[in-house]
Amino acid sequence: GAVVSQHPSRVICKSGTSVKIECRSLDFQATTMFWYRQFPKQSLMLMATSNEGSKATYEQGVEKDKFLINHASLTLSTLTVTSAHPEDSSFYICSARGDRGLGNTIYFGEGSWLTVV
Amino acid sequence: DAKTTQPPSMDCAEGRAANLPCNHSTISGNEYVYWYRQIHSQGPQYIIHGLKNNETNEMASLIITEDRKSSTLILPHATLRDTAVYYCIVSSSSGAGSYQLTFGKGTKLSVIP
Repeated sequence: GAVVSQHPSRVICKSGTSVKIECRSLDFQATTMFWYRQFPKQSLMLMATSNEGSKATYEQGVEKDKFLINHASLTLSTLTVTSAHPEDSSFYICSARGDRGLGNTIYFGEGSWLTVV
Repeated sequence: DAKTTQPPSMDCAEGRAANLPCNHSTISGNEYVYWYRQIHSQGPQYIIHGLKNNETNEMASLIITEDRKSSTLILPHATLRDTAVYYCIVSSSSGAGSYQLTFGKGTKLSVIP
């Protein structure tokens, strides 16, 4: 299947700083990428949908100025958590929708653990 | 609003078939049924999807009822590595960027030695 890669897999940052997470589609072009957040023992919650070259669409309750999403190319989307606080500590997962050759299937990255101390 | 209903947990003996049910009684005509699984601390893994017909791939089989209001994911010979949370998701799959996946709570499958 298609491969979606996230980096870093784990990151620890100090409260008040910003951290960037990258999501890459390695062997296909992804016009649409999605960012999810997952707290322990809970399901994945969609944060935002990003289309290449345009602004991201955020889900209700997600602060767009705090979670900056950039989708500058067909293979890369980034999520920047600005002014991070301990409550932002979570598992962040990206996904990418494959092109027609992949039947529009959505593939997920490995996830990134963020710990804010 | 949950579009699917799944049992919260199931056990399956190693080597036996695991049959995971999913109810999606409000599914619309253009919505597919997708199955993903999430092994602890990893991103979800795509398993299979279907619209009307039964589907089979190297990982699993998907049986969709004729009225499309429910489906069953079948892992033919469960192994310990199949222990995971399995998510059944319905979503349309038409048009560029027009669909997304909304996750419910899924079924936690435990494969027992």
